[in-house]
Amino acid sequence: GDSVTQMEGPVTLSEEAFLTINCTYTATGYPSLFWYVQYPGEGLQLLLKATKADDKGSNKGFEATYRKETTSFHLEKGSVQVSDSAVYFCALSAPYGNNRLAFGKGNQVVVIP
Amino acid sequence: EAQVTQNPRYLITVTGKKLTVTCSQNMNHEYMSWYRQDPGLGLRQIYYSMNVEVTDKGDVPEGYKVSRKEKRNFPLILESPSPNQTSLYFCASSALAGAHEQYFGPGTRLTVT
Repeated sequence: GDSVTQMEGPVTLSEEAFLTINCTYTATGYPSLFWYVQYPGEGLQLLLKATKADDKGSNKGFEATYRKETTSFHLEKGSVQVSDSAVYFCALSAPYGNNRLAFGKGNQVVVIP
Repeated sequence: EAQVTQNPRYLITVTGKKLTVTCSQNMNHEYMSWYRQDPGLGLRQIYYSMNVEVTDKGDVPEGYKVSRKEKRNFPLILESPSPNQTSLYFCASSALAGAHEQYFGPGTRLTVT
């Protein structure tokens, strides 16, 4: 079935550092890909999305490109801030069926001043 | 303000005591889902609904029931809760399936002793 794999473990980095979180997926057909962010004590919010190959999603300085050839959707930000500390989830949704979002396990990002 | 609301936000109960977690959205969305979030597992879909009176199982439906009598409401029912249902629960809604953003509620933290 459809699935998403995120890199293992939390990510700790200093303010203004470059952030990359890896995400790869397995799916039949052409899924839509998402990054959701969860701030402490809150629900998930959509950060960005891409719906077809080579699309680049971007928001708040974050970017991710839908790479069908490598089945990847890596999240990047050039200069993180303390306010970016959160849990980041990669997810996919098939273009049919139950509207299920298949999530990766999430990555805790901690940005140190 | 467009939102998904859940109640209660926190609940501690005992094994076998029936409970209901309510979910309501004010965006006139067709699709609604319930997810549970567990450490190291990400979010997994429990049940979903494509419209009033149309519901179906997600990935982990055992021990749960749902109903969709009105478009805005999608309650989650645990008829005989067990400790393995201790988790963080999220309700989500979206206008359409696939590429469309899902809007998440703030979450309900359930503890079953």
